[in-house]
Amino acid sequence: LAKTTQPISMDSYEGQEVNITCSHNNIATNDYITWYQQFPSQGPRFIIQGYKTKVTNEVASLFIPADRKSSTLSLPRVSLSDTAVYYCLVDKAAGNKLTFGGGTRVLVKP
Amino acid sequence: GAVVSQHPSWVICKSGTSVKIECRSLDFQATTMFWYRQFPKQSLMLMATSNEGSKATYEQGVEKDKFLINHASLTLSTLTVTSAHPEDSSFYICSARMPGDQPQHFGDGTRLSIL
Repeated sequence: LAKTTQPISMDSYEGQEVNITCSHNNIATNDYITWYQQFPSQGPRFIIQGYKTKVTNEVASLFIPADRKSSTLSLPRVSLSDTAVYYCLVDKAAGNKLTFGGGTRVLVKP
Repeated sequence: GAVVSQHPSWVICKSGTSVKIECRSLDFQATTMFWYRQFPKQSLMLMATSNEGSKATYEQGVEKDKFLINHASLTLSTLTVTSAHPEDSSFYICSARMPGDQPQHFGDGTRLSIL
């Protein structure tokens, strides 16, 4: 299973862009990269998933370099409600297991 | 779409009782569901993989007789914590995966407190 490494915590301010980089040096050919957001006492919420290059949806962008050994989640113009833990996972397309790392605690300040 | 419902959201019970937690995929069929456990300030730990119509696959260190998993239909998996004790108190979260290269979608968790 590919192991992921993320910063433990990040602070930001309302309106700023937050970029969280995740390292996954042992990512396999058929692994996808998936990011989740978790608020206290709630289940993780899917943010975005990608395989290579760049993926963008209504809430975030995911940048994946050619070697796929890292990825960066970009949250544009964060608000206070974006304060949460963000998890980066590598996920085999046809596999079953998700291994959660420690995640990144993002604190958005006023 | 991709809504996973978990019930109950919160349960308190006496030591020695058994507690059943339900996980339902509301708008899709899930051949595979997953059960996680999360302690305060920690990450999620996978307990078991639940496959419809077959036995669950448990992670190392998880007692299969303690945590009974049943996946009787494509939209429902249940986790029963048998003879629960205070050390079983935790936040239990399920997830379900749609067929194909789709991400897992999670329920909102069940806070279990054993007195």
